[in-house]
Amino acid sequence: EAGVAQSPRYKIIEKRQSVAFWCNPISGHATLYWYQQILGQGPKLLIQFQNNGVVDDSQLPKDRFSAERLKGVDSTLKIQPAKLEDSAVYLCASTTSYLTGQETQYFGPGTRLLVL
Amino acid sequence: GENVEQHPSTLSVQEGDSAVIKCTYSDSASNYFPWYKQELGKRPQLIIDIRSNVGEKKDQRIAVTLNKTAKHFSLHITETQPEDSAVYFCASFRGVSGYSTLTFGKGTMLLVSP
Repeated sequence: EAGVAQSPRYKIIEKRQSVAFWCNPISGHATLYWYQQILGQGPKLLIQFQNNGVVDDSQLPKDRFSAERLKGVDSTLKIQPAKLEDSAVYLCASTTSYLTGQETQYFGPGTRLLVL
Repeated sequence: GENVEQHPSTLSVQEGDSAVIKCTYSDSASNYFPWYKQELGKRPQLIIDIRSNVGEKKDQRIAVTLNKTAKHFSLHITETQPEDSAVYFCASFRGVSGYSTLTFGKGTMLLVSP
């Protein structure tokens, strides 16, 4: 079974620039998550999708972050404009469907972002 | 919201020793508790999980215990090996109809010396 795919793996940008990350979940997984993992900390949820709808974006800094999953499969996360504190690993995860209440999440390799 | 505390932040053991990592959670509605292992520069990988209707679960050298009354759960690794060296994250999952949240602890860096 293919895992969660993410690209790019690494990105270096200057502050105030824009950046976009892409995620392709495991085939058939309806629920997709984006997490931010700052060095030395656990992943923090940014946004959760069920198919093409947003379930939870309460921790997404909406003034600069946006995400979409238009066709209910792959997803993009965008930062515009980036700040120094956005330097982190951005992890995508997927699960079959959160609606069952107890589902294992499978993580992608992450995109390591450095903002200079 | 849910708060997950994880201790210790760093744990050094000799090969063959046991290692124990402890987590506490605040939301009594949390009902699923996975543990992830993350090697340097790699993705978090699920190593074991426990559901709220079970008190203990074992898988070879690793085990997890859950005390719902005290709201804490622990990861036990026996006969540690150098390849066990990684950062371990506990998490709690509050799955209710129409809503779900996975909250992670801050991680424990386990170092196993040969």
